[in-house]
Amino acid sequence: QVQLQESGPGLVKPSETLSLTCTVSGGSISSYYWSWIRQPPGKGLEWIGYIYYTGSTNYNPSLESRVTISLDTSKNQFSLKLNSVTAADTAVYYCARGGYGDVKDYWGQGTLVTVTS
Amino acid sequence: DNVLTQSPDSLAVSLGERATINCKSSQSVLYSSDKKNYLAWYQKKPGQPPKLLIYWASTRGSGVPDRFSGSGSGTDFTLTISSLQAEDVAVYYCQQYYSTPQTFGQGTRLEIK
Repeated sequence: QVQLQESGPGLVKPSETLSLTCTVSGGSISSYYWSWIRQPPGKGLEWIGYIYYTGSTNYNPSLESRVTISLDTSKNQFSLKLNSVTAADTAVYYCARGGYGDVKDYWGQGTLVTVTS
Repeated sequence: DNVLTQSPDSLAVSLGERATINCKSSQSVLYSSDKKNYLAWYQKKPGQPPKLLIYWASTRGSGVPDRFSGSGSGTDFTLTISSLQAEDVAVYYCQQYYSTPQTFGQGTRLEIK
């Protein structure tokens, strides 16, 4: 059974960089799409972007200037970096696996990141 | 961006009755090459990640009960729960994965009447 688990700081200061890692177990990261999605408190879901197992990336244009998603196949992990954060980046961040066409079939439990001084 | 608009925003249905949620896409999500609609439905409960219910507009996800069904093509889609169970109380989202940025509907809150 594939499992995904997000990890990283729960608090980030404004203007700093949010860094999260998703560890994949029960399957190889050397295939599929690997995505980040977030949900601000009380709001809907927002797609941040994905990295394909080949290393190619696709980002939400609204975040593209601040986002980097990377893959570490040796650790079966992928990561999210979002720089210059503001309070608007406070959200539960989810990692997810995408199958053919990027159908997101497995998700992490999510981790709350709060941007606060 | 491809805007997905769900209706209604909230819905109260009696146990055992049918629930229907609609999703209208501002652009077609039907890919001509493979004839697939790049549209999924997710169920979201508090404190849990979204759960994939339906993909390719009408294919049920693994382990999803057959009371959940999806239909539609192009720009208009429907999620139907044929006989509402108590555990179906949740927020439901449609999502398109056809174009960048991938987008979600605003969500429909389903409650028991």
